[in-house]
Amino acid sequence: GENVEQHPSTLSVQEGDSAVIKCTYSDSASNYFPWYKQELGKRPQLIIDIRSNVGEKKDQRIAVTLNKTAKHFSLHITETQPEDSAVYFCAATSGGSQGNLIFGKGTKLSVKP
Amino acid sequence: KAGVTQTPRYLIKTRGQQVTLSCSPISGHRSVSWYQQTPGQGLQFLFEYFSETQRNKGNFPGRFSGRQSSNSRSEMNVSTLELGDSALYLCASSLATGSGNSPLHFGNGTRLTVT
Repeated sequence: GENVEQHPSTLSVQEGDSAVIKCTYSDSASNYFPWYKQELGKRPQLIIDIRSNVGEKKDQRIAVTLNKTAKHFSLHITETQPEDSAVYFCAATSGGSQGNLIFGKGTKLSVKP
Repeated sequence: KAGVTQTPRYLIKTRGQQVTLSCSPISGHRSVSWYQQTPGQGLQFLFEYFSETQRNKGNFPGRFSGRQSSNSRSEMNVSTLELGDSALYLCASSLATGSGNSPLHFGNGTRLTVT
């Protein structure tokens, strides 16, 4: 089955710096890769996603890149702000679009003012 | 639209007991998935229901079961509770089955503590 590995597990940056979180997946049939943000005590919320027919997607300060050949995808946050502090989860579908989402173990991002 | 609603928010149970958790999806959503969240393990997939049928199942023992009603509401049951079942249980709904077809929307979760 699908296995998703996420690195790093913790990341600390200064406000205004960029942050990058990387994930690898094992199932070559995976075709959908969302990223979720979970603030302390709150529900995970979708912040950006990418499908396998696209190499990069951007939404204001966040972007996701996908390398299907290498089976890895990354989240990039530019000009980080204290409110970006949260746990970020990457995920990939298991067995194509009909499968369930398999999540990485999360990255705790701390943005220091 | 109201979001995904999970009840209760908190539960404390004793080893050996059983528990039932409830989830009301976003109106119009027919798929409900359940995840277990523990520190260090992230979100682990339990199962997905669509149109009252279990579509996918994760690697959890048979003590974990679920069901979905015709109104798309879902319940998850855990029997013979163990200390290791202490976790945040998250329910997520989506329009269509298969997470690759439509995004998951999560509820706030039920925090289960087993003593």
